[in-house]
Amino acid sequence: GESVGLHLPTLSVQEGDNSIINCAYSNSASDYFIWYKQESGKGPQFIIDIRSNMDKRQGQRVTVLLNKTVKHLSLQIAATQPGDSAVYFCAEINNAGNMLTFGGGTRLMVKP
Amino acid sequence: ETGVTQSPTHLIKTRGQQVTLRCSSQSGHNTVSWYQQALGQGPQFIFQYYREEENGRGNFPPRFSGLQFPNYSSELNVNALELDDSALYLCAFLGDPWDTQYFGPGTRLTVL
Repeated sequence: GESVGLHLPTLSVQEGDNSIINCAYSNSASDYFIWYKQESGKGPQFIIDIRSNMDKRQGQRVTVLLNKTVKHLSLQIAATQPGDSAVYFCAEINNAGNMLTFGGGTRLMVKP
Repeated sequence: ETGVTQSPTHLIKTRGQQVTLRCSSQSGHNTVSWYQQALGQGPQFIFQYYREEENGRGNFPPRFSGLQFPNYSSELNVNALELDDSALYLCAFLGDPWDTQYFGPGTRLTVL
């Protein structure tokens, strides 16, 4: 079946460094991807999204890159802060537009 | 904050019992999805409601059912609870930009 997965389950970075979280997807027909941040005890929080007609999209301190050739998605966080510590999920929307498929998540730990 | 609320926050039930979880949004958006998130995993799509009708369903048995009300709030009902139903149950409303799903804080269900 179709799936969205992540390469690294845990990423530890120093405060102030840049973080890169990677994600592979298998449905080449997917045209919309979202990154979510989930802190302990909370629901997933929307960070940034990208459509398949784009290669890059930037937000505040975050950048999402999409490589359709290798079906790879990444989230870059600039100047990582302790408040960025959380689990990050990439998700893709299905063709019907009603279902998000999530990967297993990457835990980002920021060391002071 | 997403403006999505869920109740109750936590719930403990025993096997075989039934449970009703609730979700509402301040946004007025008419599409709500429910997800199950087991510990250490990404959310799994249960179903979606659009204007009070089911609009897609994931791989969950019929004992998982739902309702959407005229004010677009929603309920998730689970009958004949099993131990594996222990999870965080999330609801999400579709918002702007189109297809983005905004999540509530979740209901933590424990089945003993």
